[in-house]
Formats: sequence, C-alpha cells, structure tokens
Amino acid sequence: DAKTTQPPSMDCAEGRAANLPCNHSTISGNEYVYWYRQIHSQGPQYIIHGLKNNETNEMASLIITEDRKSSTLILPHATLRDTAVYYCIVEGMDSNYQLIWGAGTKLIIKP
Amino acid sequence: GAVVSQHPSWVICKSGTSVKIECRSLDFQATTMFWYRQFPKQSLMLMATSNEGSKATYEQGVEKDKFLINHASLTLSTLTVTSAHPEDSSFYICSASDRVGQFFGPGTRLTVL
Repeated sequence: DAKTTQPPSMDCAEGRAANLPCNHSTISGNEYVYWYRQIHSQGPQYIIHGLKNNETNEMASLIITEDRKSSTLILPHATLRDTAVYYCIVEGMDSNYQLIWGAGTKLIIKP
Repeated sequence: GAVVSQHPSWVICKSGTSVKIECRSLDFQATTMFWYRQFPKQSLMLMATSNEGSKATYEQGVEKDKFLINHASLTLSTLTVTSAHPEDSSFYICSASDRVGQFFGPGTRLTVL
C-alpha cells in the first residue's frame, strides 16, 4: 500500500500557483519525500525531492512541515502544460530506491 | 542529465509471439533499473527490480518465466514479454536510479492482437 494520501483531483487557473498537498503521517526518519508527475501516455517525470528542509528548483518548490507528516508541492505559475497526474511518494535511500505509487492527484490547469 | 530512453515506443504483435523492450540510461550508469506496468487509468505497478549482473527480483504475482529481464550492463536493461497474450497489452515503463532518485523512460505501449 502507498504510504501517502493525496486528493484525487484539483483544478487551478492558468498563471496562478498550484498547491498540491500530500499526507505522509507514517513517514520514518530516513525516508525522503519525492514528487513525480505523469502527463498522459508518457513516463513519469521527476520534479523534486526533500528530507526535512524546504526545497526549490526550476520546476517547483517543496514545503515539508516541521513534523514531516505532510508536504505541499508548489508550481508557482501554472501553465496548461502542467496538467498531469502528480504523485507524492515517500521512500528511504536505503531501500534500493523502490517507489510505491499511489493514485496521485490529477491536476487540471484551466485557461 | 539523467535521461532514460526506451525502444520501441509502440509495438503491436500477434498473440503467442515474444516482444523485447530496451531501456537505456543515456548519460549515467544505473546499477539498478526497474520495470513497471500501467493499465489505463491506473497507477504504476512495479513488476521487477533489475540489478546489473544479477538476477532480477520479481514482485508477487509477476511470472519471471513470462517476463524475462536481462541487465547486462550499467546502461541497458531489457524486458522480454514471452508468448504474449491480449491481457499483456499495457504501457510498460522502465526507470533507472542514480544518487538523486529514479528517472523514467517514456514508456512502451504494447498491444497484443
């Protein structure tokens, strides 16, 4: 079973920030939070990952709560091409990198 | 960086034939590669974990004699679907891991007639 829970779907207006929540209340101390997205009929795309501190890259920002039981992926200026299913995954670096996939959040960016 | 390719991207075959799918890490060496299967409107399901130079580890319910995996080098893993049947029709995705995380290929859509 996936170790995370995410809303099944979300809408966001083009140009606005998209905030995608993820709950991972059973996360252990050595597990990272990974975010991937999958655009229809394509392979998943890595977005960002983090352990404790907030992270930012050219694609997104990752905000992890202090207790690490939840996180939020932020797409600062959503475009129509950001429409995809977004997956939040927690996994330890010592687990041979196996990822367990939940249902994800289908994010629809509307013009 | 961290580009993973798959070939072919789309294949149609007759029932009973075998199909080979290649997965390559183009700009990094991957000691571990993963093979997933994804049915329509479902999430990815891990089929097997492939370590270079050793036998693959298959997930429960995945037949190792039907889905043959070879990981002969640090940049190439192959999945062969033997004696394919229509129920094997699916989207097959590979991934390769480096120190950052897992990077995925574009997927191979298999249709078995």
